[in-house]
Amino acid sequence: KNEVEQSPQNLTAQEGEFITINCSYSVGISALHWLQQHPGGGIVSLFMLSSGKKKHGRLIATINIQEKHSSLHITASHPRDSAVYICAALGNEKLTFGTGTRLTIIP
Amino acid sequence: GAVVSQHPSRVICKSGTSVKIECRSLDFQATTMFWYRQFPKQSLMLMATSNEGSKATYEQGVEKDKFLINHASLTLSTLTVTSAHPEDSSFYICSASHGQVIYEQYFGPGTRLTVT
Repeated sequence: KNEVEQSPQNLTAQEGEFITINCSYSVGISALHWLQQHPGGGIVSLFMLSSGKKKHGRLIATINIQEKHSSLHITASHPRDSAVYICAALGNEKLTFGTGTRLTIIP
Repeated sequence: GAVVSQHPSRVICKSGTSVKIECRSLDFQATTMFWYRQFPKQSLMLMATSNEGSKATYEQGVEKDKFLINHASLTLSTLTVTSAHPEDSSFYICSASHGQVIYEQYFGPGTRLTVT
């Protein structure tokens, strides 16, 4: 069993829909990253959070430390949001990555 | 935000040759750099952690004599894949953090290595 689990693995939605991607982890962490990986592979760090909630534009990330769970939300989704979204848990100064959620937004 | 570059972005090499990948932090001093490998449709896997001026720490199962890592300056780390084989074909990504803030990692764009 992976230490960091994401769901769903694949998600297809219509433009404008509200998107939620979930991440559960079993290790103790000091922080959790949400990353975006576009086709071609480049990775962009979206959020790093250790408690509560963060918002950047149409993206919102939340984390519940007690439940060892984090969510990434995208409001008013757009085709350019299509990418693989990866959560990564930081524990013992190492990142453990989830397998990613492939999001496809259809115009 | 902080910028990390990698060079080359793509490389094709013949089996048995060596290939060097560079990772540079462009606007900050990276005291720690991380090298990851990602196979198709899989997670990133940490290969090694390098601190400037000291030997890299390799993860279990990663051959240090095959994947040579040098972090000679605060802005440059290199990964050399020696005697490459087709099974080394993968996407290699570096990330960098500055100061003591290990959890703020800035990722490079990655290098796709194909060994023929």
